[in-house]
Amino acid sequence: EPEVTQTPSHQVTQMGQEVILRCVPISNHLYFYWYRQILGQKVEFLVSFYNNEISEKSEIFDDQFSVERPDGSNFTLKIRSTKLEDSAMYFCASSEGPMAASYEQYFGPGTRLTVT
Amino acid sequence: GQQVMQIPQYQHVQEGEDFTTYCNSSTTLSNIQWYKQRPGGHPVFLIQLVKSGEVKKQKRLTFQFGEAKKNSSLHITATQTTDVGTYFCAGTDTGNQFYFGTGTSLTVIP
Repeated sequence: EPEVTQTPSHQVTQMGQEVILRCVPISNHLYFYWYRQILGQKVEFLVSFYNNEISEKSEIFDDQFSVERPDGSNFTLKIRSTKLEDSAMYFCASSEGPMAASYEQYFGPGTRLTVT
Repeated sequence: GQQVMQIPQYQHVQEGEDFTTYCNSSTTLSNIQWYKQRPGGHPVFLIQLVKSGEVKKQKRLTFQFGEAKKNSSLHITATQTTDVGTYFCAGTDTGNQFYFGTGTSLTVIP
């Protein structure tokens, strides 16, 4: 069964450093998403991406965050200058069609980001 | 701002007992989705409800979307140890913003 993959599984970085989290969505999917989950808390939507541009973003997704689809397979989340409070599990997800049209989102296994 | 609250936050049940989690949104939702997250795992999509008053069933799981499209429930009949995990509702508001609920963590005691 096709699945979303994410690398690395765990990233440790120092405060102020830039990190890039990588995701390979399911190949025929067109909609891509990033979420974060602080340990023990709920999942929070960050951004959705379609047709090479951001379609929706939450208030969490401020100027320190950016997303890119650099080639036909990868979808990345960049955090420019990490803060301690960015420590969380970051999930990538993809879907064939938009959420509003009842398409299922498939989540990747997540990247645990630890900022020290 | 928009809030999606779930109650209870935690639930411990004996295997075989029923379980219900309730999801309440501060604003009207265009749809509601339910996810299950096993400890240490990622959210797995269970179902989506779109219509007011909609009820859907998946084996022992029954999902309901309220008439006002502001609340939803997930009911599990005769829980099994494989049902352990955190159940999240998630919905899209009329502004196309997507919010996860606070989650209900289910423990099933064998």
